[in-house]
Amino acid sequence: EVQLVQSGAEVKKPGESLKISCKGSGYSFTGYWLAWVRQMPGKGLEWMGIIYPGDSDTRYSPSFQGQVTISADKSISTAYLQWSSLKASDTAMYYCARHRAGHCGGDCYYFYYMDVWGEGTTVTVSS
Amino acid sequence: QSALTQPASVSGSPGQSITISCTGTSSDVGAYNYVSWYQQHPGKAPKLIIYDVNNRPSGVSNRFSGSKSGNTASLTISGLQAEDEADYYCGSYTSSSSLYVFGTGTEVTVL
Repeated sequence: EVQLVQSGAEVKKPGESLKISCKGSGYSFTGYWLAWVRQMPGKGLEWMGIIYPGDSDTRYSPSFQGQVTISADKSISTAYLQWSSLKASDTAMYYCARHRAGHCGGDCYYFYYMDVWGEGTTVTVSS
Repeated sequence: QSALTQPASVSGSPGQSITISCTGTSSDVGAYNYVSWYQQHPGKAPKLIIYDVNNRPSGVSNRFSGSKSGNTASLTISGLQAEDEADYYCGSYTSSSSLYVFGTGTEVTVL
């Protein structure tokens, strides 16, 4: 069974660092892009960024560039989303999702759709 | 990059058909057949229900269908059922950033 299993809920204080994880199984982890999606309380989905675990090619939505770091350890089929200094506004549910994509030449990729989703990790930042 | 525009809410009675629109630009919806739709029930992760404008993943009911005209994509739910009550999001590749963008989301209520 193809699945993504995310780490558990986190409660942190402003200014603290955090790294959450997403472990893939049932498919070739290095052969698919993996995206992170934010959902703030009562709000919609926001596409944060994406990584190709095979070579760690990483791309960020302009809204999240410089705010978070996406990484992956292909040896353990796990991707990560991390913050160096959390803010209250980082309080949200974070989902990882396998992202289907197609190559359009050079470093160009078309990002098609997300077909497998993790269950989500709740991050609460409060003093 | 701006989110694709969806109506905040759509409602219908059981058995009826409803359509949710997703309006983008010539840099995303209008330029590529890479529109997808996701269903999200409260407290649950999103689920892919339509990809590449009008394709259904295995196991998704054929009551869900997608289409596109110009810069606007649409999701139609026919034979509306109580279990269809959820939030729906469209998404598309966008050349403005060479990445991906979601729609603003639509809450579907079954009356």
